[in-house]
Amino acid sequence: GENVEQHPSTLSVQEGDSAVIKCTYSDSASNYFPWYKQELGKRPQLIIDIRSNVGEKKDQRIAVTLNKTAKHFSLHITETQPEDSAVYFCAAVGSNYKLTFGKGTLLTVNP
Amino acid sequence: DSGVTQTPKHLITATGQRVTLRCSPRSGDLSVYWYQQSLDQGLQFLIQYYNGEERAKGNILERFSAQQFPDLHSELNLSSLELGDSALYFCASSVGGGNAYNEQFFGPGTRLTVL
Repeated sequence: GENVEQHPSTLSVQEGDSAVIKCTYSDSASNYFPWYKQELGKRPQLIIDIRSNVGEKKDQRIAVTLNKTAKHFSLHITETQPEDSAVYFCAAVGSNYKLTFGKGTLLTVNP
Repeated sequence: DSGVTQTPKHLITATGQRVTLRCSPRSGDLSVYWYQQSLDQGLQFLIQYYNGEERAKGNILERFSAQQFPDLHSELNLSSLELGDSALYFCASSVGGGNAYNEQFFGPGTRLTVL
């Protein structure tokens, strides 16, 4: 089945800096890659996603890039704010249509 | 609010016991998914039901079982509970579920504590 690796597990940045989280996947048939943000004790919420026929997608301060050849995708957050502090999960949907999550990245934005 | 509801919000029980977690999907969604989230394992897919039938299975223990009822709500049954079963259990729902990927909407979760 699909295996998703996510790095780093923790990330601390100063307010206004950029944050980058990277993920790799194993199933070359995977074609959909969502990113979820989870605040402490809350449910995961979809923040951005990308499909395999697109290399990059941007939504205000967040962007996602996908390299299908290398089987990796990344989340970029610019001009970070304290409210961006949360756990971020990457995920991949493989040939079995199941959602496989990475282990998560705890992002802390220091004011 | 995603439109997915889960009850109870918190559950505290003892080892060896059995509990039932309940999930109501968003109106119109036919698929229900169950996930377990623990500190060391992240979000693990357990099982999916689509329109009353089991569609996909993940890392679900034999002590755990689920079903989806005609009104599309789902229940996850956990039996012979162990300390390691303590986790946050999420339910998610989507419109379809099997032939293509449809966005999953997560419920607020049930926090299970086994003492």
